[in-house]
Amino acid sequence: AQRVTQPEKLLSVFKGAPVELKCNYSYSGSPELFWYVQYSRQRLQLLLRHISRESIKGFTADLNKGETSFHLKKPFAQEEDSAMYYCALSPPGAGSYQLTFGKGTKLSVIP
Amino acid sequence: NAGVMQNPRHLVRRRGQEARLRCSPMKGHSHVYWYRQLPEEGLKFMVYLQKENIIDESGMPKERFSAEFPKEGPSILRIQQVVRGDSAAYFCASSPRYQQGDYGYTFGSGTRLTVV
Repeated sequence: AQRVTQPEKLLSVFKGAPVELKCNYSYSGSPELFWYVQYSRQRLQLLLRHISRESIKGFTADLNKGETSFHLKKPFAQEEDSAMYYCALSPPGAGSYQLTFGKGTKLSVIP
Repeated sequence: NAGVMQNPRHLVRRRGQEARLRCSPMKGHSHVYWYRQLPEEGLKFMVYLQKENIIDESGMPKERFSAEFPKEGPSILRIQQVVRGDSAAYFCASSPRYQQGDYGYTFGSGTRLTVV
């Protein structure tokens, strides 16, 4: 069965400090991996996808197949990064519409 | 483009009543997906619909839950005879094509259902 684990429910960092939001997954095969973000009072929105290898708002995520991890990183946290972050996976191909989400990590950036 | 619109934002129902949740996809999107987020949990897939068709309802509870996406009008998620365990946030998403991996979903703001 596929599963996404985000071990930290809450992560607090000081402004300017590095951020790492952890995500581990369980899937037999090569899934597609995503990070979604939900800012206060806003909708859930896609932050980045592993397939595109983009850097969005200074965030990057590296897929480590050996460790089955897809941690989200940013070298210098900003106050506006405070939000709820969800890691998600989907199977490749025909079932790719069906996302499996982690429980989320609340990031709080302290000024 | 107003994005994915869900209403109501908050819905309170007594046990045994029916709950109807509405979702209007983004303009030009013909694929709709419903997800449920129970307290302290991640979002879980419920159902995938296209206009007048249910494509995949593998995540729907077997009883009391149904979904439709008529030719005209919004998609409706209906929960009959609600119970306390149905209290959750229900999110709708839409996409222009079935492979969300290309575009990612566009989510609505969700409907928070509270069963009292």
